[in-house]
Amino acid sequence: EDKVVQSPLSLVVHEGDTVTLNCSYEVTNFRSLLWYKQEKKAPTFLFMLTSSGIEKKSGRLSSILDKKELFSILNITATQTGDSAVYLCAVIFRGGGADGLTFGKGTHLIIQP
Amino acid sequence: EAQVTQNPRYLITVTGKKLTVTCSQNMNHEYMSWYRQDPGLGLRQIYYSMNVEVTDKGDVPEGYKVSRKEKRNFPLILESPSPNQTSLYFCASSPLGTRVNQPQHFGDGTRLSIL
Repeated sequence: EDKVVQSPLSLVVHEGDTVTLNCSYEVTNFRSLLWYKQEKKAPTFLFMLTSSGIEKKSGRLSSILDKKELFSILNITATQTGDSAVYLCAVIFRGGGADGLTFGKGTHLIIQP
Repeated sequence: EAQVTQNPRYLITVTGKKLTVTCSQNMNHEYMSWYRQDPGLGLRQIYYSMNVEVTDKGDVPEGYKVSRKEKRNFPLILESPSPNQTSLYFCASSPLGTRVNQPQHFGDGTRLSIL
């Protein structure tokens, strides 16, 4: 059965720290991996990763994919309280008649002032 | 403004009373999808639609129906709601008819309580 596993499930750090969130996956016919940030409402898109080893960066956030080891990491440097959220990882894979999309359970990140 | 709109945002109802949660997108996206989000279980796909009149089951379709009569709308129907369908529901859409290899745009969510 295809699955996506995120770790840790929750994390509490102090403002200014750097955090690394992990997402491992086991899917057949992988197409891409996505990271989302979810605060009180809907998930908002952060990154889409398709190729191994190419870092995607947006401000203090960056992410990279390792297709050989089947995982991705999301880094946040110099964390701020506004980074507190649930971070979701999702994997798109090629299914029978259509592509499928499976989410991990998320990492709940809390940044303390 | 590009958006996915769900209604209602909150609903409390009783077991067995049919309800519909509407979802509308203004981005001309072919692909639309419904998810439910429960503590400890993450986001799970209920149904998805590749285009008008094309729908298919996701991971947890039991107890739900959908329809896609128009491209912009994808309502979620609970014919006979039960308490185990109490959850936070999200509608999402993305472009490209035959592929979903694009980031999805999410609605703001509908919090449903079935008593």
